[in-house]
Amino acid sequence: AQSVTQLDSHVSVSEGTPVLLRCNYSSSYSPSLFWYVQHPNKGLQLLLKYTSAATLVKGINGFEAEFKKSETSFHLTKPSAHMSDAAEYFCVVSPVRDSNYQLIWGAGTKLIIKP
Amino acid sequence: DTEVTQTPKHLVMGMTNKKSLKCEQHMGHRAMYWYKQKAKKPPELMFVYSYEKLSINESVPSRFSPECPNSSLLNLHLHALQPEDSALYLCASSQEHVGQGYEQYFGPGTRLTVT
Repeated sequence: AQSVTQLDSHVSVSEGTPVLLRCNYSSSYSPSLFWYVQHPNKGLQLLLKYTSAATLVKGINGFEAEFKKSETSFHLTKPSAHMSDAAEYFCVVSPVRDSNYQLIWGAGTKLIIKP
Repeated sequence: DTEVTQTPKHLVMGMTNKKSLKCEQHMGHRAMYWYKQKAKKPPELMFVYSYEKLSINESVPSRFSPECPNSSLLNLHLHALQPEDSALYLCASSQEHVGQGYEQYFGPGTRLTVT
């Protein structure tokens, strides 16, 4: 069975400090992996995606994520948090070889930025 | 352009009303999706259209009726809803169905309140 675990339901950081949002996945095959962000009362925006090319993926707004197959992790990082980064973040697995073809969503991590 | 538009932004309806949600994309995507999202939860897949044909119905009650008039448009017809159907309804599209690892692009959503 394939699954996604976001290890923290809430992460609180001060503005200007680094951000780390943790995601572990379970998949029988090499999946595609995504991070989405959702600001309050808004839709979901794609931050970045991994599709078996470079293991370090750069996304929008200064975010990046590293795919580590040995650790089955896909953690999201940003060197310096900004107030506008406060939002809900979802780690998502796309099981490439699954006839059900459904995205598998993590439970989400709420990022709180302290001034 | 990676925009998916949805109308209306907000909808309040009684349990005996009939209303429709609309979604449009002009990216040439051949797969379109409806999701339901409750507060503080990840989106739940409702329907998938691939090449204008319904390919997945996630056991959604018949009071929700999807329609894909053409490759750019997706509707969700609502009838006799229940208060527990109040949620954010999100439309998304992708180049092909998600099983190929294609990312989904989301609209801003329709906030539905059933009274």
